[in-house]
Amino acid sequence: EIVMTQSPATLSVSPGERATLSCRASQSVSSNLAWYQQKPGQAPRLLIYGASTRATGIPARFSGSGSGTEFTLTISSLQSEDFAVYYCQQYDNWLALTFGGGTKVEIK
Amino acid sequence: QVQLQESGPGLLKPSETLSLTCAVSGHSMSSGYYWGWIRQPPGKGLEWIGSIYHSGSTYYNPSLKSRVSISVDTSKNQFSLKVNSVTAADTAVYYCASDGSGNYYISSFDYWGQGTLVTVSS
Repeated sequence: EIVMTQSPATLSVSPGERATLSCRASQSVSSNLAWYQQKPGQAPRLLIYGASTRATGIPARFSGSGSGTEFTLTISSLQSEDFAVYYCQQYDNWLALTFGGGTKVEIK
Repeated sequence: QVQLQESGPGLLKPSETLSLTCAVSGHSMSSGYYWGWIRQPPGKGLEWIGSIYHSGSTYYNPSLKSRVSISVDTSKNQFSLKVNSVTAADTAVYYCASDGSGNYYISSFDYWGQGTLVTVSS
């Protein structure tokens, strides 16, 4: 099983500031990585796939980077609607998909 | 746009079988895509349970494989999940989701149902 580790667990950011979230894989997943956003009481929403490709309708302030074992999700200027929990997911081993534990982005 | 809706009992007793159905609209399941189930225990992270291709090929999380089965009914445009011998550890919000990437492998999930809470308690 590929273990996905996200850091930090909680990130306190002021509106308008940049947020940088990290995701590390226990072995290389190439660029087979997705990011999701989840708000309380809602289903996750796909933000990024292929490590850096924004899903349909996702604002340009969201960007993904990295390959291999180290990945980053950057939110360039946090809006009020961006405060949520973010998960990464690998699909390099697509017979055993795994998610990271999540990073909660909260208002500072 | 694909829409998914989970349905099924919300309360089970230990050792019973969890059965959920996901109704799909906006896309004919027989046309393709992978379809999956993901769960989330209260206050915790996401866990992939398994996926099914429109042809009926199934793929399960190795840690749950012995207790899980997923099936598809393309005539009703729905797919289903069964988890045998449930315990309190199976208490979670269960989501159905689709992977519309068109890849030959399961990748990311672009459409999700709203989720349904299943509680296992005696």
